[in-house]
Amino acid sequence: DIQMTQSPSSVSASVGDRVTITCRASQGISNWLAWYQQKPGKAPKLLISTASSLQSGVPSRFSGSGSGTDFSLTISSLQPEDFATYFCQQANSFPLTFGGGTKVEIK
Amino acid sequence: EVQLVESGGGLIQPGGSLRLSCAASGFTVSSNYMNWVRQAPGKGLEWVSVIYSGGSTYYADSVKGRFTISRDNSKNTLHLQMNSLRAEDTAIYYCARSMTTVITLAWWGQGTLVTVSS
Repeated sequence: DIQMTQSPSSVSASVGDRVTITCRASQGISNWLAWYQQKPGKAPKLLISTASSLQSGVPSRFSGSGSGTDFSLTISSLQPEDFATYFCQQANSFPLTFGGGTKVEIK
Repeated sequence: EVQLVESGGGLIQPGGSLRLSCAASGFTVSSNYMNWVRQAPGKGLEWVSVIYSGGSTYYADSVKGRFTISRDNSKNTLHLQMNSLRAEDTAIYYCARSMTTVITLAWWGQGTLVTVSS
């Protein structure tokens, strides 16, 4: 199985800050990497597929990059509605595996 | 509009069985890869199972031999039969539809809570 290591596990930031979350796969997965946002009590929401493809309706302050084993999600200017937990997930093969999550908290 | 609505969760004793359902609308379940993903309280996401459009099924090792994924094409519904339940199966269970060309989970239901406890 492909292991996904996500860091940091939590980050405290202020509105307007730039935040970057990283995700590393235990083996190369090309660009088969997705990012999700989850708010308390809600289902995950797909933000980015294939490493950098922003889903329809997702604000352009979110961006993804990377290929192979190293990936990142960047929020260019944190907004109040962005405080949530973010997960990466490899979509290269089953079993699908997720990173442990990054909780973005208000500083 | 794609909608997924799970049902069937509840409190069940260890060793018991439960059947979850996921009613879909806005698309055809049998034409898509359909998944179950779970999340233990306060924990991360764990993929559980998938059924391909062709009918093949795959499971996480943690549930293999105990859980069965299936679909009812006439009702456009996905199911997860869970047997020999354990305390560690306690979680919110989400059904999720993969994208058309990649297995990324683009659409999710609201989830149903399964609690395994005596």
